[in-house]
Amino acid sequence: EAGVTQSPTHLIKTRGQQATLRCSPISGHTSVYWYQQALGLGLQFLLWYDEGEERNRGNFPPRFSGRQFPNYSSELNVNALELEDSALYLCASSRTEVEAFFGQGTRLTVV
Amino acid sequence: AQSVTQLDSQVPVFEEAPVELRCNYSSSVSVYLFWYVQYPNQGLQLLLKYLSGSTLVKGINGFEAEFNKSQTSFHLRKPSVHISDTAEYFCAVTELKTSYDKVIFGPGTSLSVIP
Repeated sequence: EAGVTQSPTHLIKTRGQQATLRCSPISGHTSVYWYQQALGLGLQFLLWYDEGEERNRGNFPPRFSGRQFPNYSSELNVNALELEDSALYLCASSRTEVEAFFGQGTRLTVV
Repeated sequence: AQSVTQLDSQVPVFEEAPVELRCNYSSSVSVYLFWYVQYPNQGLQLLLKYLSGSTLVKGINGFEAEFNKSQTSFHLRKPSVHISDTAEYFCAVTELKTSYDKVIFGPGTSLSVIP
């Protein structure tokens, strides 16, 4: 069974540009969670999608957005990139409330 | 609201020695508790979880943790570490019967195993 896959592995963008990160959940999982792991700040919850709907978002500005497609894959968009958006972005999928499986992450570097 | 404290940001330990990574949580309600491991340039992998029942929880890779409600702790232990255990370890907590987005992660403990 394939795990959660994220692409790209690394992404370098210039300040002010837009970044798009993608996530494919484990087959049968309908929920996708996005997290930001910035240096020194731990794992911060960004967004939760389930059955194509945004269910919750963390304390992040509106320039962080995303969507979930009919096949349950998801995309995270970050507009107007700032230097402090540089981080590892992790996606996780689940079908229960007590366990989620994480992808390897996308390392976003804003220069 | 819950919170998680991992008192040690870095723990160096010699190979084959025992290790304990400390985790304390704060919550006014009953909780689920988790330990995750993150190897360099990887995502998080679940080591073990406490949902209910026995307070001693056994996980993968020889790790175990003990839930202590009176001390609000969930310390992770391994009797003999290997080089391959070098990684970042995260403790996490959430209320019972809530969605996974409510899971709160601790700041992490970096375990370095010295040959």
